[in-house]
Amino acid sequence: GAVVSQHPSWVICKSGTSVKIECRSLDFQATTMFWYRQFPKQSLMLMATSNEGSKATYEQGVEKDKFLINHASLTLSTLTVTSAHPEDSSFYICSASERQETQYFGPGTRLLVL
Amino acid sequence: SQQGEEDPQALSIQEGENATMNCSYKTSINNLQWYRQNSGRGLVHLILIRSNEREKHSGRLRVTLDTSKKSSSLLITASRAADTASYFCATDQTGANNLFFGTGTRLTVIP
Repeated sequence: GAVVSQHPSWVICKSGTSVKIECRSLDFQATTMFWYRQFPKQSLMLMATSNEGSKATYEQGVEKDKFLINHASLTLSTLTVTSAHPEDSSFYICSASERQETQYFGPGTRLLVL
Repeated sequence: SQQGEEDPQALSIQEGENATMNCSYKTSINNLQWYRQNSGRGLVHLILIRSNEREKHSGRLRVTLDTSKKSSSLLITASRAADTASYFCATDQTGANNLFFGTGTRLTVIP
């Protein structure tokens, strides 16, 4: 089956720094990628939808200037958490879709901001 | 693989009928969650059932959990055309840091 990878799997950073998370589709071309965030003991919440070559569509309440999403190629999307603060500590997961039918999930990235 | 499995992979029913989807998993869990995905859209959280719960209701949704069999089912009653979507289960596994998603069931409700 299709594989989606994320890097890094864990990241610890100081408050005020920026963190970039990569999401890659390894064996298919992802026309659409989704970014989710999950706080402890809560469900997954959609942050934004990213289509290759166009600007991401952000969900209500998600700051687009804080969570920069780039989907420059059909196999790579990046999420940059700018000027991270402790409240941004969370689990971030991406998913990728080839033909808007089946969605494949990455393993997730755990972010801890000190 | 720690990923769950769902069956059926695809289900087509007439409007008004009930739809049942099943999810199996392999390890101990803290909770199990069901999500819906409309075509081309992101996941929408539907319902969460904890490991000490056996059944939970939300509107037309009914979820059961059998931890001895490591399985869960999602029942949608009186289905509507708008219920057409893919449905995923996800497990919050004991000792793990992330959710593990099932392979999904694609539901089509015919008007």
